[in-house]
Amino acid sequence: GQSLEQPSEVTAVEGAIVQINCTYQTSGFYGLSWYQQHDGGAPTFLSYNALDGLEETGRFSSFLSRSDSYGYLLLQELQMKDSASYFCAVRGQRDSSYTLIFGSGTRLLVRP
Amino acid sequence: ETGVTQTPRHLVMGMTNKKSLKCEQHLGHNAMYWYKQSAKKPLELMFVYNFKEQTENNSVPSRFSPECPNSSHLFLHLHTLQPEDSALYLCASSQDRGQGASGYTFGSGTRLTVV
Repeated sequence: GQSLEQPSEVTAVEGAIVQINCTYQTSGFYGLSWYQQHDGGAPTFLSYNALDGLEETGRFSSFLSRSDSYGYLLLQELQMKDSASYFCAVRGQRDSSYTLIFGSGTRLLVRP
Repeated sequence: ETGVTQTPRHLVMGMTNKKSLKCEQHLGHNAMYWYKQSAKKPLELMFVYNFKEQTENNSVPSRFSPECPNSSHLFLHLHTLQPEDSALYLCASSQDRGQGASGYTFGSGTRLTVV
């Protein structure tokens, strides 16, 4: 089967840097994605890593190590609006279907 | 607005009622999905449609019945639900495999409460 593990909650102060880790188990690997969801809102796509290394998009970066089945989302210069839940996701096992399997999410609280 | 619209935003229904959730996208995507989101649990995949054809039913009880009349519209018909079915129901769409630069586009969901 497939599973993803990420911390349930992380707290950080405004202006700081925070890293949200994700470890996964999958029978086939097609890349790791990250999504952000504010309370009452829709999950929104943040980033995708298919190959090892760091992908940077503004204040957010995402890292992947396929040999370690591990990735992380790095948020820099934290702002209050970054308080949200963050989900890592991998594509489903069945190649014929276009499905994503999600982790339980990490709730990030940014304090002043 | 994300480009995926779900209605209604909130729904309260009794266990004997029949209701339908609606999802609409005009992004030109060819795959649509229903996910269930319960408190402190991962998003659970329910159904997948690719080019209007159902390609996956993730062991969902028959009291949930999906319908995809065209690649832009997706429905979830509900009947004789249980209180444990109360959750946020999310619709999503994607182009091709939903990985890469665009990922999935989600709607804001329907908050369902079964009483």
